[in-house]
Amino acid sequence: RKEVEQDPGPFNVPEGATVAFNCTYSNSASQSFFWYRQDCRKEPKLLMSVYSSGNEDGRFTAQLNRASQYISLLIRDSKLSDSATYLCVVNGGGSYIPTFGRGTSLIVHP
Amino acid sequence: NAGVMQNPRHLVRRRGQEARLRCSPMKGHSHVYWYRQLPEEGLKFMVYLQKENIIDESGMPKERFSAEFPKEGPSILRIQQVVRGDSAAYFCASSLRQQETQYFGPGTRLLVL
Repeated sequence: RKEVEQDPGPFNVPEGATVAFNCTYSNSASQSFFWYRQDCRKEPKLLMSVYSSGNEDGRFTAQLNRASQYISLLIRDSKLSDSATYLCVVNGGGSYIPTFGRGTSLIVHP
Repeated sequence: NAGVMQNPRHLVRRRGQEARLRCSPMKGHSHVYWYRQLPEEGLKFMVYLQKENIIDESGMPKERFSAEFPKEGPSILRIQQVVRGDSAAYFCASSLRQQETQYFGPGTRLLVL
C-alpha cells in the first residue's frame, strides 16, 4: 500500500459545482497534513493546513479523519481558476521527510 | 520577505556535462529539501539538508548526484555527467523548522540534449 494515495482524476466539473477530493495515508502516527496546489509547469503552493478540528478558508474546507486515516478537500462554487493539480502532503510519524501524494487533477469548465 | 529562490530557471546541458542548481531558502529558514518531478509525474524527494549537514539523502541516486548547504550561500544540487534521463524539473523547498510547512521555489527545468 502506498504511503499517501490520491485519485489522480481528472475531475471535470462545471463552474459553480462543488467538488471533493480524498487522500488516504498509511502511517497512523502521521502528525501534520497539508493541501498544496500545483499549476501546470509551476511550483507547488500551499493551499491550506489540515487540523484535527477542520479548517475553512473561503470556498475551501479541509478535514482530517484520523480513525479512517484520510484527509479531504472540499471546494465550493468552483471557478475556472481552480483548475490545477491538488497535492496531499503528510508529515511526521517517525520521518521528517514529508510524503507527497501524486496529486488529483481538477478541470473546471465554463 | 523574498520567497525561495532558485537559479537558473532553465538549464540546457549536453550529455556528460555537469549541472549545478542553486537554491536560496526563505529568510530565516535553515531546512532545505530538493525534489525532482518528471513530466506527468509526482514530486520525488531527493535530499534534506540543514545548514552544513545532510540529514537525509535517501531519495538521491548514489552516483553522479550530490548536494550541499554551506554555512554561507545557497544550497547546491550538483549532477555530474548528466544523461537524458536527468531531464526534469528540480524544485527546492525550505521550512523554518523540521516537519513544518514547506515553501517551494519556482524550480529549475533541466534539459539534457
